[in-house]
Amino acid sequence: GESVGLHLPTLSVQEGDNSIINCAYSNSASDYFIWYKQESGKGPQFIIDIRSNMDKRQGQRVTVLLNKTVKHLSLQIAATQPGDSAVYFCAEKNSGRDDKIIFGKGTRLHILP
Amino acid sequence: EADIYQTPRYLVIGTGKKITLECSQTMGHDKMYWYQQDPGMELHLIHYSYGVNSTEKGDLSSESTVSRIRTEHFPLTLESARPSHTSQYLCASSARPGGEKLFFGSGTQLSVL
Repeated sequence: GESVGLHLPTLSVQEGDNSIINCAYSNSASDYFIWYKQESGKGPQFIIDIRSNMDKRQGQRVTVLLNKTVKHLSLQIAATQPGDSAVYFCAEKNSGRDDKIIFGKGTRLHILP
Repeated sequence: EADIYQTPRYLVIGTGKKITLECSQTMGHDKMYWYQQDPGMELHLIHYSYGVNSTEKGDLSSESTVSRIRTEHFPLTLESARPSHTSQYLCASSARPGGEKLFFGSGTQLSVL
């Protein structure tokens, strides 16, 4: 079956350091991947996305890397700030099948002062 | 800031009660979704809609029902609530075509006693 998951449930990072959040997916037919950030008491918020024809995409302080060979996705956050504290979800979609977006289990990012 | 609203924000009810969770969006999005989420866990799709008069069941079996009579409104109803329904319910919408970027509401935290 399809599954999208994250390697670590919790990640603690020193403020100012870079954070790397990892995600493994199992559906090789997935062609679109998204990272969401969910702060306490709020709904998930879109961060960045990447299509399967790309290996890397950069945003403001964030970079997503896609390795289709090993079905691995990562989110890199540069110069982590206290406001980055949240749960991060990767999600995937198979555009050729349906419009459903499947979410992984989430990684909680703690920022250490 | 996404214009998608969910009410109530919190709801505590007794077993056997009928409840309706409201979701409205003012972005004119065709696609709308309901996800169920336990604390810190992944989001599970329970219902979605491609547009008016369209409703589909998601991957997670649910005893709830939905309706889509108007583009902006996508209510979710539980005919007889049970303690196993205790969870957070998140509503989302997206534009077509593609519809990968989901905009989420803040959620309804439901507790069934």
